[in-house]
Amino acid sequence: GAVVSQHPSRVICKSGTSVKIECRSLDFQATTMFWYRQFPKQSLMLMATSNEGSKATYEQGVEKDKFLINHASLTLSTLTVTSAHPEDSSFYICSAVDSLNEKLFFGSGTQLSVL
Amino acid sequence: GDSVTQMEGPVTLSEEAFLTINCTYTATGYPSLFWYVQYPGEGLQLLLKATKADDKGSNKGFEATYRKETTSFHLEKGSVQVSDSAVYFCALSSSNFGNEKLTFGTGTRLTIIP
Repeated sequence: GAVVSQHPSRVICKSGTSVKIECRSLDFQATTMFWYRQFPKQSLMLMATSNEGSKATYEQGVEKDKFLINHASLTLSTLTVTSAHPEDSSFYICSAVDSLNEKLFFGSGTQLSVL
Repeated sequence: GDSVTQMEGPVTLSEEAFLTINCTYTATGYPSLFWYVQYPGEGLQLLLKATKADDKGSNKGFEATYRKETTSFHLEKGSVQVSDSAVYFCALSSSNFGNEKLTFGTGTRLTIIP
Protein backbone atom coordinates (compact mmCIF):
# COMPACT_ATOMS: atom_id res chain seq x y z
CA GLY A 1 0.00 0.00 0.00
CA ALA A 2 0.93 3.63 -0.27
CA VAL A 3 3.52 4.80 2.22
CA VAL A 4 4.35 8.19 3.60
CA SER A 5 7.77 8.39 5.18
CA GLN A 6 8.29 10.99 7.89
CA HIS A 7 11.72 11.71 9.25
CA PRO A 8 13.01 11.96 11.91
CA SER A 9 10.73 10.03 14.20
CA ARG A 10 12.15 11.70 17.27
CA VAL A 11 14.31 14.77 17.74
CA ILE A 12 15.67 16.58 20.76
CA CYS A 13 17.11 20.05 20.26
CA LYS A 14 18.25 23.04 22.24
CA SER A 15 16.10 26.12 22.60
CA GLY A 16 16.76 28.61 19.82
CA THR A 17 17.80 26.11 17.21
CA SER A 18 15.86 25.15 14.08
CA VAL A 19 14.56 21.71 13.27
CA LYS A 20 13.50 20.35 9.89
CA ILE A 21 10.99 17.53 9.51
CA GLU A 22 10.58 15.77 6.18
CA CYS A 23 7.49 14.13 4.77
CA ARG A 24 7.86 12.01 1.63
CA SER A 25 5.32 10.12 -0.39
CA LEU A 26 7.22 7.01 -1.47
CA ASP A 27 5.10 5.58 -4.24
CA PHE A 28 2.67 8.27 -5.27
CA GLN A 29 2.58 11.94 -6.15
CA ALA A 30 1.02 14.31 -3.67
CA THR A 31 -0.10 17.74 -4.78
CA THR A 32 -1.45 18.37 -1.30
CA MET A 33 0.07 17.56 2.06
CA PHE A 34 -1.11 18.48 5.54
CA TRP A 35 0.81 19.16 8.73
CA TYR A 36 -0.73 18.47 12.14
CA ARG A 37 0.54 18.68 15.69
CA GLN A 38 -0.68 17.16 18.91
CA PHE A 39 0.08 18.44 22.39
CA PRO A 40 -0.30 15.99 25.29
CA LYS A 41 -3.92 15.11 26.04
CA GLN A 42 -5.15 17.27 23.16
CA SER A 43 -6.44 16.58 19.67
CA LEU A 44 -4.39 16.41 16.52
CA MET A 45 -4.73 19.96 15.20
CA LEU A 46 -4.20 21.02 11.62
CA MET A 47 -1.37 23.53 11.33
CA ALA A 48 -1.22 24.11 7.61
CA THR A 49 -2.08 22.82 4.18
CA SER A 50 0.84 22.51 1.81
CA ASN A 51 0.32 22.65 -1.95
CA GLU A 52 3.12 21.81 -4.34
CA GLY A 53 4.56 24.86 -6.00
CA SER A 54 2.63 27.41 -3.98
CA LYS A 55 2.59 28.94 -0.54
CA ALA A 56 1.18 26.96 2.32
CA THR A 57 -2.13 27.90 3.90
CA TYR A 58 -1.84 28.25 7.65
CA GLU A 59 -4.59 27.75 10.21
CA GLN A 60 -5.53 30.56 12.51
CA GLY A 61 -3.05 30.98 15.33
CA VAL A 62 -0.15 29.22 13.59
CA GLU A 63 2.81 31.52 12.93
CA LYS A 64 3.88 31.14 9.35
CA ASP A 65 7.26 32.74 10.00
CA LYS A 66 7.98 30.25 12.74
CA PHE A 67 6.74 27.12 11.01
CA LEU A 68 8.18 27.23 7.51
CA ILE A 69 6.68 24.82 5.03
CA ASN A 70 8.25 23.99 1.71
CA HIS A 71 6.55 21.72 -0.83
CA ALA A 72 8.95 22.00 -3.72
CA SER A 73 8.23 18.65 -5.33
CA LEU A 74 5.30 16.29 -5.71
CA THR A 75 6.81 13.83 -3.26
CA LEU A 76 8.35 15.98 -0.54
CA SER A 77 7.13 18.56 1.94
CA THR A 78 9.24 19.89 4.79
CA LEU A 79 8.31 21.64 8.00
CA THR A 80 11.00 23.73 9.65
CA VAL A 81 10.46 24.87 13.21
CA THR A 82 12.60 27.97 13.47
CA SER A 83 14.07 29.18 16.76
CA ALA A 84 12.37 26.37 18.61
CA HIS A 85 11.28 26.88 22.21
CA PRO A 86 10.11 24.38 24.84
CA GLU A 87 6.48 25.25 24.12
CA ASP A 88 6.99 23.94 20.57
CA SER A 89 7.61 20.48 22.00
CA SER A 90 4.88 18.38 20.45
CA PHE A 91 4.06 15.47 18.19
CA TYR A 92 4.06 16.56 14.53
CA ILE A 93 2.47 14.42 11.85
CA CYS A 94 2.09 14.86 8.13
CA SER A 95 -0.37 13.43 5.65
CA ALA A 96 -0.40 13.35 1.87
CA VAL A 97 -3.16 13.10 -0.70
CA ASP A 98 -2.52 10.71 -3.57
CA SER A 99 -3.17 12.90 -6.63
CA LEU A 100 -4.35 9.89 -8.62
CA ASN A 101 -7.08 8.52 -6.37
CA GLU A 102 -7.56 11.29 -3.78
CA LYS A 103 -6.81 8.91 -0.89
CA LEU A 104 -5.11 10.23 2.21
CA PHE A 105 -2.07 8.64 3.85
CA PHE A 106 -0.29 9.59 7.05
CA GLY A 107 3.30 9.57 8.16
CA SER A 108 4.25 7.98 11.48
CA GLY A 109 4.93 11.29 13.18
CA THR A 110 7.82 13.16 14.76
CA GLN A 111 8.15 13.71 18.48
CA LEU A 112 9.94 17.03 19.00
CA SER A 113 11.40 17.85 22.39
CA VAL A 114 12.96 21.28 22.87
CA LEU A 115 15.18 21.64 25.91
CA GLY B 1 -16.24 25.51 14.72
CA ASP B 2 -16.16 21.78 14.18
CA SER B 3 -15.04 19.56 17.03
CA VAL B 4 -14.76 15.90 17.99
CA THR B 5 -15.02 14.61 21.54
CA GLN B 6 -13.60 11.20 22.10
CA MET B 7 -13.57 8.85 25.05
CA GLU B 8 -10.43 9.38 27.06
CA GLY B 9 -8.08 6.50 27.52
CA PRO B 10 -6.16 4.55 28.11
CA VAL B 11 -8.46 1.57 27.79
CA THR B 12 -7.28 -1.89 28.82
CA LEU B 13 -9.31 -4.97 28.00
CA SER B 14 -8.84 -8.70 28.05
CA GLU B 15 -8.74 -10.62 24.80
CA GLU B 16 -12.22 -11.45 23.42
CA ALA B 17 -13.86 -8.65 25.39
CA PHE B 18 -16.39 -6.29 23.81
CA LEU B 19 -15.06 -2.88 22.86
CA THR B 20 -16.79 0.47 22.66
CA ILE B 21 -14.97 3.74 22.14
CA ASN B 22 -17.33 6.69 22.27
CA CYS B 23 -17.13 9.58 19.83
CA THR B 24 -19.43 12.58 19.47
CA TYR B 25 -19.07 15.53 17.17
CA THR B 26 -20.16 19.08 16.56
CA ALA B 27 -20.21 20.31 12.98
CA THR B 28 -21.95 22.58 10.56
CA GLY B 29 -23.44 20.91 7.54
CA TYR B 30 -23.16 17.20 6.91
CA PRO B 31 -19.66 15.95 7.61
CA SER B 32 -18.17 12.59 6.82
CA LEU B 33 -16.98 10.64 9.84
CA PHE B 34 -13.88 8.49 10.18
CA TRP B 35 -12.04 6.23 12.54
CA TYR B 36 -8.28 6.06 12.14
CA VAL B 37 -5.94 3.60 13.87
CA GLN B 38 -2.26 4.04 14.63
CA TYR B 39 -0.25 0.94 15.41
CA PRO B 40 3.08 1.39 17.19
CA GLY B 41 5.70 2.98 14.95
CA GLU B 42 3.33 3.42 12.02
CA GLY B 43 1.27 6.21 10.48
CA LEU B 44 -2.44 6.66 11.01
CA GLN B 45 -4.45 4.32 8.82
CA LEU B 46 -8.07 4.68 7.85
CA LEU B 47 -10.03 2.00 9.69
CA LEU B 48 -13.55 2.83 8.53
CA LYS B 49 -15.75 5.70 7.49
CA ALA B 50 -19.35 6.78 6.97
CA THR B 51 -20.39 9.61 4.72
CA LYS B 52 -24.05 10.13 5.61
CA ALA B 53 -26.53 9.60 8.40
CA ASP B 54 -27.35 5.99 9.30
CA ASP B 55 -24.42 4.68 7.25
CA LYS B 56 -22.45 1.95 8.97
CA GLY B 57 -18.74 1.72 8.37
CA SER B 58 -17.05 -1.61 9.03
CA ASN B 59 -13.61 -3.15 8.70
CA LYS B 60 -11.59 -5.87 10.46
CA GLY B 61 -14.52 -6.65 12.76
CA PHE B 62 -14.91 -3.02 13.83
CA GLU B 63 -18.14 -1.12 13.21
CA ALA B 64 -19.42 2.40 13.67
CA THR B 65 -22.78 3.90 12.75
CA TYR B 66 -23.29 7.56 11.81
CA ARG B 67 -26.01 8.75 14.17
CA LYS B 68 -27.13 12.24 13.25
CA GLU B 69 -29.74 12.44 15.99
CA THR B 70 -27.15 11.90 18.71
CA THR B 71 -24.20 13.32 16.71
CA SER B 72 -22.25 10.18 17.49
CA PHE B 73 -19.99 7.69 15.74
CA HIS B 74 -19.07 5.14 18.40
CA LEU B 75 -16.56 2.44 17.50
CA GLU B 76 -17.41 -1.15 18.47
CA LYS B 77 -15.91 -4.58 18.15
CA GLY B 78 -17.44 -7.74 19.49
CA SER B 79 -14.27 -9.63 20.40
CA VAL B 80 -10.95 -7.83 20.54
CA GLN B 81 -7.56 -9.39 19.93
CA VAL B 82 -4.11 -8.54 21.18
CA SER B 83 -3.30 -7.28 17.69
CA ASP B 84 -5.97 -4.56 18.08
CA SER B 85 -3.76 -2.77 20.59
CA ALA B 86 -3.24 0.68 19.08
CA VAL B 87 -4.35 4.29 19.31
CA TYR B 88 -7.75 5.03 17.77
CA PHE B 89 -8.73 8.47 16.48
CA CYS B 90 -12.22 9.66 15.61
CA ALA B 91 -12.34 12.41 12.98
CA LEU B 92 -14.65 14.37 10.72
CA SER B 93 -14.26 16.09 7.38
CA SER B 94 -16.33 17.94 4.85
CA SER B 95 -14.85 15.61 2.23
CA ASN B 96 -16.08 12.04 1.64
CA PHE B 97 -12.48 10.98 1.14
CA GLY B 98 -11.23 12.83 4.18
CA ASN B 99 -8.66 14.38 1.88
CA GLU B 100 -9.40 17.86 3.02
CA LYS B 101 -9.05 19.26 6.51
CA LEU B 102 -9.69 16.63 9.18
CA THR B 103 -10.86 17.51 12.67
CA PHE B 104 -9.65 14.90 15.14
CA GLY B 105 -10.48 13.76 18.62
CA THR B 106 -7.72 13.27 21.18
CA GLY B 107 -7.17 9.61 20.40
CA THR B 108 -7.81 6.62 22.66
CA ARG B 109 -5.00 4.22 23.48
CA LEU B 110 -6.27 0.65 23.58
CA THR B 111 -4.31 -2.19 25.13
CA ILE B 112 -5.53 -5.76 24.90
CA ILE B 113 -4.06 -8.24 27.33
CA PRO B 114 -4.01 -11.98 26.63
